[in-house]
Amino acid sequence: EVQLVESGGDLVQPGGSLRLSCAASGFTFSDYEMHWVRQAPGKGLEWVSYISASGSARVYADSVGGRFTISRDNAKNSLQLQMNSLRAEDAAVYYCARASTRRFDCWGQGTLVTVSS
Amino acid sequence: QSALTQPPSASGSPGQSVTISCTGTSSDVGAYNYVSWYQQHPGKAPKLMIYEVSQRPSGVPDRFSGSKSGNTASLTVSGLQAEDEADYYCTSYAGSNSYVFGTGTKVTVL
Repeated sequence: EVQLVESGGDLVQPGGSLRLSCAASGFTFSDYEMHWVRQAPGKGLEWVSYISASGSARVYADSVGGRFTISRDNAKNSLQLQMNSLRAEDAAVYYCARASTRRFDCWGQGTLVTVSS
Repeated sequence: QSALTQPPSASGSPGQSVTISCTGTSSDVGAYNYVSWYQQHPGKAPKLMIYEVSQRPSGVPDRFSGSKSGNTASLTVSGLQAEDEADYYCTSYAGSNSYVFGTGTKVTVL
């Protein structure tokens, strides 16, 4: 069974840092590009970041560029999102998603990030 | 990277059809046939319903269909059922491995 499981969400103060992880199973992780998508409470989905299957290419939404870093460890079937200089507007449920031919075909259950003092 | 525009809500009685629009620009929806649609029930992760404008993944009922004209894509749900009540989001590839989501539409089955 294809499965993505996020972890690492927590309460963090504005300006703080947090590292999210996504554990993949049930498929050949190194064959797929991966993404992070977030959803603020009561709001819509927002694409956050992309990483290529090999990890050599990374793209970020303007809203997080320069503050967030996406990475992956294909040997450990794991995706990460390092979030620095967190702002109140970064508070959201963060989903990792597998992408296949420009579609997000598998999603994790999400991990909640709260930014508050 | 402005969000694609969707109507906030749509509704229909069981058995009826509802169509949701998704309007972008010539840089996203109009430029690529990589529009997909996602269904999200409260507290759940999104689920892929349509990809590449009109393709259905296996397991998605053929009551769900998609189309595109110019900068606007559409999702139609025919023969509405109670379990179709959910939020629906479109997304489009926007070039250079970036994506943009729609604002979301809450579908209510009356």
